[in-house]
Amino acid sequence: AQTVTQSQPEMSVQEAETVTLSCTYDTSENNYYLFWYKQPPSRQMILVIRQEAYKQQNATENRFSVNFQKAAKSFSLKISDSQLGDTAMYFCAFLLQGAQKLVFGQGTRLTINP
Amino acid sequence: DVKVTQSSRYLVKRTGEKVFLECVQDMDHENMFWYRQDPGLGLRLIYFSYDVKMKEKGDIPEGYSVSREKKERFSLILESASTNQTSMYLCASRDRDSEAFFGQGTRLTVV
Repeated sequence: AQTVTQSQPEMSVQEAETVTLSCTYDTSENNYYLFWYKQPPSRQMILVIRQEAYKQQNATENRFSVNFQKAAKSFSLKISDSQLGDTAMYFCAFLLQGAQKLVFGQGTRLTINP
Repeated sequence: DVKVTQSSRYLVKRTGEKVFLECVQDMDHENMFWYRQDPGLGLRLIYFSYDVKMKEKGDIPEGYSVSREKKERFSLILESASTNQTSMYLCASRDRDSEAFFGQGTRLTVV
């Protein structure tokens, strides 16, 4: 079974700083997808970024980018120029291609301080 | 704009009550899911459904059941609520090999 581990329960940075959230996963499969989700204090979970395992290029969405290291089974999220609105819980998730179940990590609570 | 709607944001129920949590999606997705979110444990899958009237147990199905009579609606049922079922419940839907879309969550308190 696949597992996802987020080793940082909480992080806190100053506004405008860059922050990196860690995620590792365990799978013996080769074709899968990885996601970062954001859950602000209002609780609606939204997708931040998505990475297909077959793509070598790291995904980027504006200030959000990932460092996908397939061999190391690592999928970290970098937030550049952090903003107060980035304060949220962040979840890393794994989806095996063709499977129904999305597997989540434990989450990282990120606080951006003014 | 895609939407997953959960019927309640907050619920308070008594021990032993039968509780229904409703979820509706408007994206014609085949797959629907119920997760439970607890601090330090992340999201844990309770049940999911990949088609009307089809369901499969997730990682923590004990004490729960589900119903999917229509494609757009997926209900989570607590047959006899207990205090250890106090939690945040999240509904999600998605298509094959795509990201999940979530509802706003239901904070259930069992007293």
